[in-house]
Amino acid sequence: QQQVKQSPQSLIVQKGGISIINCAYENTAFDYFPWYQQFPGKGPALLIAIRPDVSEKKEGRFTISFNKSAKQFSLHIMDSQPGDSATYFCAALEYGNKLVFGAGTILRVKS
Amino acid sequence: DTEVTQTPKHLVMGMTNKKSLKCEQHMGHRAMYWYKQKAKKPPELMFVYSYEKLSINESVPSRFSPECPNSSLLNLHLHALQPEDSALYLCASSRQAGSSYNEQFFGPGTRLTVL
Repeated sequence: QQQVKQSPQSLIVQKGGISIINCAYENTAFDYFPWYQQFPGKGPALLIAIRPDVSEKKEGRFTISFNKSAKQFSLHIMDSQPGDSATYFCAALEYGNKLVFGAGTILRVKS
Repeated sequence: DTEVTQTPKHLVMGMTNKKSLKCEQHMGHRAMYWYKQKAKKPPELMFVYSYEKLSINESVPSRFSPECPNSSLLNLHLHALQPEDSALYLCASSRQAGSSYNEQFFGPGTRLTVL
């Protein structure tokens, strides 16, 4: 059973455009929601994270929007650049230990 | 310094070999993790160590044996692996386990191939 559902599976965006990746969860025990960026052959890198008592968090070009009642959260990448091309994973932390990942979104930014 | 290091970067082993993967962090973190990642899939948790004690084993086969010699080091001992165990093995660390807002930082991984 997939505890964190992520969409879309892949995404192509023009340079300068906005990339949007969505995630949904069911388990109300999740209390921390990070996003990771992974380049081929590398480990996932923590990009940005949000707590469920915050509706939005922005760091540079990256913004997380969080809707607690709908149990949904999303990543927005503003002014997308070719260097942003990577796989993005949303995740949710359960009981402070277990990080549960979404299936991943392969982002390609066309120049 | 938010760096987690892993050695080796690549490992090829036969099904009868015994090998070990190593992970190190110097951030003062007291929780360390092993994940397995197959191609085009998300990482899957294998083990969690909290204050050098094994706290979570996600029903991993006994051919994988973790060890935490001290708070900075984490090993994964491999024995009698199967070809389907070929994957990227990721180590991660966090300030402590069992707390909210527990940021986990990942190493670059060891690419394991079992022949």
